[in-house]
Amino acid sequence: DGGITQSPKYLFRKEGQNVTLSCEQNLNHDAMYWYRQDPGQGLRLIYYSQIVNDFQKGDIAEGYSVSREKKESFPLTVTSAQKNPTAFYLCASSISGELFFGEGSRLTVL
Amino acid sequence: DQQVKQNSPSLSVQEGRISILNCDYTNSMFDYFLWYKKYPAEGPTFLISISSIKDKNEDGRFTVFLNKSAKHLSLHIVPSQPGDSAVYFCAASARVSQGGSEKLVFGKGTKLTVNP
Repeated sequence: DGGITQSPKYLFRKEGQNVTLSCEQNLNHDAMYWYRQDPGQGLRLIYYSQIVNDFQKGDIAEGYSVSREKKESFPLTVTSAQKNPTAFYLCASSISGELFFGEGSRLTVL
Repeated sequence: DQQVKQNSPSLSVQEGRISILNCDYTNSMFDYFLWYKKYPAEGPTFLISISSIKDKNEDGRFTVFLNKSAKHLSLHIVPSQPGDSAVYFCAASARVSQGGSEKLVFGKGTKLTVNP
């Protein structure tokens, strides 16, 4: 079945460690996105990529990095520079104005 | 600066009644609006959308109304069912000015509870 797969679903990390969240899609979508959700907040855009080997910063890119070496994959690295990394992270891809979301990854910094 | 606002954090309705979720926006460049539904610990799922050239779009029990002059849209669910209980996000994009990008701006969400 076509869809977006995020892994891991839950992740714990110690302060000062970088972690990478995986996002894979087999929908053949060109555009992919990373959003972050915090309690009481809407979804905020971290990074997006409209095509392979190209990506742009979203509204809250500081402390994050991404790569887009393959159409199917858009991994997000949460670096130690991100001051408040504990959150629910959502990856999405899009076509014709509609975003398709993965099931999310919950990152907790201990 | 919040470009998409959902001013009601929560809404509670009785099963069978109408649920009305509201959304206001400030950016006049927005030309495409969507509603997403989200259950806890899951990704949001698309519900319904409307282009700025329309003022109403209907899909089964769900209808979205757009009032461009007031920069306001609303989602009506009739009749409401307990399974509709979720958080509903309003989202908007300025597709023309973004060169076709689907980058969306989301509201903070409204938690709908439908009581049996």
